[in-house]
Amino acid sequence: QKEVEQDPGPLSVPEGAIVSLNCTYSNSAFQYFMWYRQYSRKGPELLMYTYSSGNKEDGRFTAQVDKSSKYISLFIRDSQPSDSATYLCAMGVKIIFGKGTRLHILP
Amino acid sequence: NAGVTQTPKFQVLKTGQSMTLQCAQDMNHNSMYWYRQDPGMGLRLIYYSASEGTTDKGEVPNGYNVSRLNKREFSLRLESAAPSQTSVYFCASSEAANTEAFFGQGTRLTVV
Repeated sequence: QKEVEQDPGPLSVPEGAIVSLNCTYSNSAFQYFMWYRQYSRKGPELLMYTYSSGNKEDGRFTAQVDKSSKYISLFIRDSQPSDSATYLCAMGVKIIFGKGTRLHILP
Repeated sequence: NAGVTQTPKFQVLKTGQSMTLQCAQDMNHNSMYWYRQDPGMGLRLIYYSASEGTTDKGEVPNGYNVSRLNKREFSLRLESAAPSQTSVYFCASSEAANTEAFFGQGTRLTVV
C-alpha cells in the first residue's frame, strides 16, 4: 500500500460547481498536509498548507483534514475554467505526494 | 524574486553519458528536495537534504547522486544515464522539515 493514495481522475465538472478532491494516507505520524496545483508543463505551486485536523479556508479554496480517518480533502467553490489543472496532495517530513487528480472545468 | 532556479530547462543525453542538474534557492531555506515526475506516477522523491551537510534517500534513489554544495545549492548527478531516467525533474526547497515546499520550473530530460 502506498503511503498516499489519490484518484488520478480525470474529473470533469461544469463551471460554477463545487469540486471535491481527496487523498487518503497510511502513516498516522503525518501532521502537515499540503495541496499543490500544477498546470501543464509547469512546476507545482502551493495552494494550501494545513497542520493536524480541521479546516482552513483561503478564498474559494477550503482544505480539510480528518486525522482519525487518515483522509484529507480540498474543496473548490465557484469553480472556473482557469482551475483546470492537476491537483496534488502532499504530506510528511519528506513531502510524499499523491499521484495527482486531473481536473477539467467545463465552460 | 527568483525562488527556486533549475538549470538546464531541457537536456537530451545519450545512454551512458553523465550530467549534473543544478538547483539554487534564494529564500534561505534549510531543506531541499529532488523529485522526478513521470506520466501516471505523480512526483516521486529521489533525494532530500534536511539541512546543509546532510542528504537522505527518497523513494527512487538508484542511479542518482546528490551534493548539498552549500545552503543555497543542491545538485543531482546522473553518472551513467539510462532511458528509464527520461523524466521531468523538479527541485524544491522549504524553510525546514514539515513546512511548505516551493518548486522550480523543472528540467525535462530525455535519454536516448
